Amino acid sequence: GAVVSQHPSWVICKSGTSVKIECRSLDFQATTMFWYRQFPKQSLMLMATSNEGSKATYEQGVEKDKFLINHASLTLSTLTVTSAHPEDSSFYICSARASGLVHTDTQYFGPGTRLTVL
Amino acid sequence: KQEVTQIPAALSVPEGENLVLNCSFTDSAIYNLQWFRQDPGKGLTSLLLIQSSQREQTSGRLNASLDKSSGRSTLYIAASQPGDSATYLCAVKYGGSQGNLIFGKGTKLSVKP
Repeated sequence: GAVVSQHPSWVICKSGTSVKIECRSLDFQATTMFWYRQFPKQSLMLMATSNEGSKATYEQGVEKDKFLINHASLTLSTLTVTSAHPEDSSFYICSARASGLVHTDTQYFGPGTRLTVL
Repeated sequence: KQEVTQIPAALSVPEGENLVLNCSFTDSAIYNLQWFRQDPGKGLTSLLLIQSSQREQTSGRLNASLDKSSGRSTLYIAASQPGDSATYLCAVKYGGSQGNLIFGKGTKLSVKP
């Protein structure tokens, strides 16, 4: 089956630093990748949608200059949290939508990255 | 506004019980509905996907039903086991195959041995 990986699985950083999270589709090509954020006991909230080779589309209220998304290839998208602050501490989950498979509208989710900003 | 609500927020049952998790959505013009399982600190595992034209889907001890007109879906778990303990998320897709998923907050299930 389609597998999505994320790296790192958890990261602790100091306030003011930047953190990069990678999302990879391991055995399929993903024309579209999604980045979600999940706070404790809350639902997954979509942050942005990225299509390979083009700029990401951000949801209302998500700062595009703070959460930089790059989708340079069909198997890799990165989310960089710039100048991270404690309120950015959350669980970040990526998802990839396959191209070329039977169910092209199916999203496959990564295992998530736990970010803690001190 | 399109919203997805899950009731109850948490549920604790003894092993062996059959149980029902509920999901409701405000806009009935859905494309599909999906149930996921999320273990603590982990990503999502897709359990069942129901297209808008379908009434139910089954996989093993799981059965999901969909009533679009009333804006509801239920996830039925038969003969629950401790390994079923997890958070179950309901997500609705609007806007066709390329639409985005809207998630509920989930139901945290605990099955006691």
